[in-house]
Amino acid sequence: DAGVIQSPRHEVTEMGQEVTLRCKPISGHDYLFWYRQTMMRGLELLIYFNNNVPIDDSGMPEDRFSAKMPNASFSTLKIQPSEPRDSAVYFCASSTLRWASGGLTDTQYFGPGTRLTVL
Amino acid sequence: SQQGEEDPQALSIQEGENATMNCSYKTSINNLQWYRQNSGRGLVHLILIRSNEREKHSGRLRVTLDTSKKSSSLLITASRAADTASYFCAPRDYNKLIFGAGTRLAVHP
Repeated sequence: DAGVIQSPRHEVTEMGQEVTLRCKPISGHDYLFWYRQTMMRGLELLIYFNNNVPIDDSGMPEDRFSAKMPNASFSTLKIQPSEPRDSAVYFCASSTLRWASGGLTDTQYFGPGTRLTVL
Repeated sequence: SQQGEEDPQALSIQEGENATMNCSYKTSINNLQWYRQNSGRGLVHLILIRSNEREKHSGRLRVTLDTSKKSSSLLITASRAADTASYFCAPRDYNKLIFGAGTRLAVHP
């Protein structure tokens, strides 16, 4: 399996522009998570989906952020308009509940991340 | 608010020494997971311990869990330079993992 795929790997844009980050989860995984990582705030969960349905978006910073999962193999995180404080590394992760080692396990598999710089 | 909080924030040791990282959390959990992140890369799962388990081993890793104290520890034995990375604990709160700020481990040859 290719693992979780994210694109682009790096994005540099100017304040006010729209930014779209993309994620392809591992085939068969029914949970998808979007995280943001900064030095100041660490790793923050923005939103997660189960079976393509958004379950918890309480971590989405504000209305400028939106996420969609139109099908089981694709998700987007959009920022419109972007601001310098959105500069961060954005990770996508996927998982599924499975029985292993005597119990349910839900290891998350992370993509390589998208490094976003908003000038 | 972050649920997993690691201690220490940074740890510097020599190759061959053991490294111990601690984690505290705030609410009831189903399981607790440890992840590793190499610089500039995504997180990689290391080990999972369930709320009804007290200790778990995987290779050179040993994880303990004390639900009464809401704490966990990760021990890496006989460390290697390749173990240099950030380590995160992630208590599982319902379907979410809540990551702490991590411990930055530096292993010097």
